[in-house]
Amino acid sequence: EPEVTQTPSHQVTQMGQEVILRCVPISNHLYFYWYRQILGQKVEFLVSFYNNEISEKSEIFDDQFSVERPDGSNFTLKIRSTKLEDSAMYFCASSGKRGAPYNEQFFGPGTRLTVL
Amino acid sequence: AQTVTQSQPEMSVQEAETVTLSCTYDTSENNYYLFWYKQPPSRQMILVIRQEAYKQQNATENRFSVNFQKAAKSFSLKISDSQLGDTAMYFCAFRGLVSGNTPLVFGKGTRLSVIA
Repeated sequence: EPEVTQTPSHQVTQMGQEVILRCVPISNHLYFYWYRQILGQKVEFLVSFYNNEISEKSEIFDDQFSVERPDGSNFTLKIRSTKLEDSAMYFCASSGKRGAPYNEQFFGPGTRLTVL
Repeated sequence: AQTVTQSQPEMSVQEAETVTLSCTYDTSENNYYLFWYKQPPSRQMILVIRQEAYKQQNATENRFSVNFQKAAKSFSLKISDSQLGDTAMYFCAFRGLVSGNTPLVFGKGTRLSVIA
């Protein structure tokens, strides 16, 4: 069964460094998302992406964040200058296979980002 | 804006017993989807069950069923014959139908422990 994959599974970085989190959505899905979950808290929406542009973003998704679909398969989240409070689990999701019910969002396994 | 409330931070149940997790939500929309996601210690987000708001019949998936009360904006999850593998965080989530890629709004989660 197709699945969303994410790399790396765990990323440790120093405060102020740039990080890129990578995701490979399910092939032929049309919509892509990033969510984050700070340890012990709820999952929060960051951004959605459709037709090669951002379609919606939350207040969390400030100028330090950017997303890109560089090659038609990968979907990346870049944090330009990481802060301690960016430490969280980051989930990628995709949805929108034509004809699929519910437009179900399929989640990847997550990338745990630790900012020191 | 939509909100999702899970009032039970933690619950426990004996193996083979039945447990019900509560969820309420607030929205002005008439058509939407509701979901329960399971997050085991591996942190992967796994869809357990979904409900379309326009369907009066409660969704059922094997041992998992929901009690959807649209007027009360309540969406509880019942797990029958609880198994040790059901131990996980359970998140209730809402998705409107504004567009094809409307993001999910999650509750804070309920940590369920199944005791042998």
